[in-house]
Amino acid sequence: AQTVTQSQPEMSVQEAETVTLSCTYDTSESDYYLFWYKQPPSRQMILVIRQEAYKQQNATENRFSVNFQKAAKSFSLKISDSQLGDAAMYFCAYRGTNTGNQFYFGTGTSLTVIP
Amino acid sequence: EPEVTQTPSHQVTQMGQEVILRCVPISNHLYFYWYRQILGQKVEFLVSFYNNEISEKSEIFDDQFSVERPDGSNFTLKIRSTKLEDSAMYFCASSEEQGAGEKLFFGSGTQLSVL
Repeated sequence: AQTVTQSQPEMSVQEAETVTLSCTYDTSESDYYLFWYKQPPSRQMILVIRQEAYKQQNATENRFSVNFQKAAKSFSLKISDSQLGDAAMYFCAYRGTNTGNQFYFGTGTSLTVIP
Repeated sequence: EPEVTQTPSHQVTQMGQEVILRCVPISNHLYFYWYRQILGQKVEFLVSFYNNEISEKSEIFDDQFSVERPDGSNFTLKIRSTKLEDSAMYFCASSEEQGAGEKLFFGSGTQLSVL
C-alpha cells in the first residue's frame, strides 16, 4: 500500500527566510502525482503545488518549489521569502495512476512563521 | 474563486444518533469525495462518487455510511448510528475531471464530535 511520511510535525521559520518541509513516500507504481496542500486556520485545504513523477523538472509556483527525488522517493517543499500568511498545516499527498481515486496523505507539518 | 462549501462547521451528536454532513461542490465539477481526519492522524479517504453512484470506497466506509446527491448541488454524507470513533474532521472535495493529476478542491470541513 502507498504510504506518505512527514517526519516533521512542527517547523518554524523567520519571516522572509526559507524553509523546507520534508516528505517521503512508498510506492511500487512508476507513474503518479505528488501534491502539497496547505491548511490555514480557516481549515480549507488549498493546493499549493503538484508534481508528476514522469517530469524530471521540479515544479515551482511563485515562492513555492519542490525538490523531487524519484529514486529516493522524496518530495520536499521549499518556501522562499516566508510570509506570515504561510503559517498553516502542510500536507504532502500521493495519488497513483493505478490505485483508484484516492489521495494518500501524510500526517502534516505545522509551520509557524515568526515575525 | 469557486469554493466547496460544507455545513455545519461543527456538529455535536450523541452516540447512536444519525448525522448528515452537507457539502456543495463546485458547480461544474463531476467527481465528489469524502475524506476524514481523526485528530492527530492522517487524512483518510472514505469514498468517491460519480454519475450518481459510488465509484470507490475505503474499508472505513462500512454499512453505517452512505452518500447521496439529492439534487443538482448538494452532496451528503450520512452516518447512520454514530460511534465514538467517528469523531473527526470530515472534508468534502470535488474535481472537474478524474485522473491522478486532477486537482481536488476541498471544503473547510465539518468537525464531528460524538459524545
